[in-house]
Amino acid sequence: DVKVTQSSRYLVKRTGEKVFLECVQDMDHENMFWYRQDPGLGLRLIYFSYDVKMKEKGDIPEGYSVSREKKERFSLILESASTNQTSMYLCASSLYSGGNGELFFGEGSRLTVL
Amino acid sequence: GENVEQHPSTLSVQEGDSAVIKCTYSDSASNYFPWYKQELGKRPQLIIDIRSNVGEKKDQRIAVTLNKTAKHFSLHITETQPEDSAVYFCAVFLLGANNLFFGTGTRLTVIP
Repeated sequence: DVKVTQSSRYLVKRTGEKVFLECVQDMDHENMFWYRQDPGLGLRLIYFSYDVKMKEKGDIPEGYSVSREKKERFSLILESASTNQTSMYLCASSLYSGGNGELFFGEGSRLTVL
Repeated sequence: GENVEQHPSTLSVQEGDSAVIKCTYSDSASNYFPWYKQELGKRPQLIIDIRSNVGEKKDQRIAVTLNKTAKHFSLHITETQPEDSAVYFCAVFLLGANNLFFGTGTRLTVIP
């Protein structure tokens, strides 16, 4: 079974804090993704990575950055958290580039920014 | 990008009835159409998918149909059970963008 693990299920941060969300997958997938999930908006792609040190912007990259130093790990960084970044963040990995095949999701990290 | 519209946003059915969720898309270059199910508090999981060279695909009680001409595809769940209650997301892969675009989700409630 593919396992995608997100380091924190729930976080509460203050405006202006730097936030790290970490994701690890154990299936040697080259492709990893960060999505944001908000009610009524579905899942929106923030960034994806198709190889170590490679990254591509998704639909809503503003206010976020990512890091992929190792194949199994993909981190989402909020340099200066704002209240409008309060959301559920989902990491995913896949054998397929861009999501052209099954995505395996983590359990999600619910971030609240006060 | 791709514009994916999903309807209805909520759907309640009696146990044993059928449920249908429909998604429309705008770009004819889209070629992969998965459906994900997300139970309350759980991660989204792929339940069925279809590629553009196929019109219909079935897996036990679930099926997906694709109409490329009209640019819409639908999820059909027959003989619904309470464990089918979840949020269902459609998605569309656009080859040119190398990106997957999700619909806004449908909350299905199956009433015992």
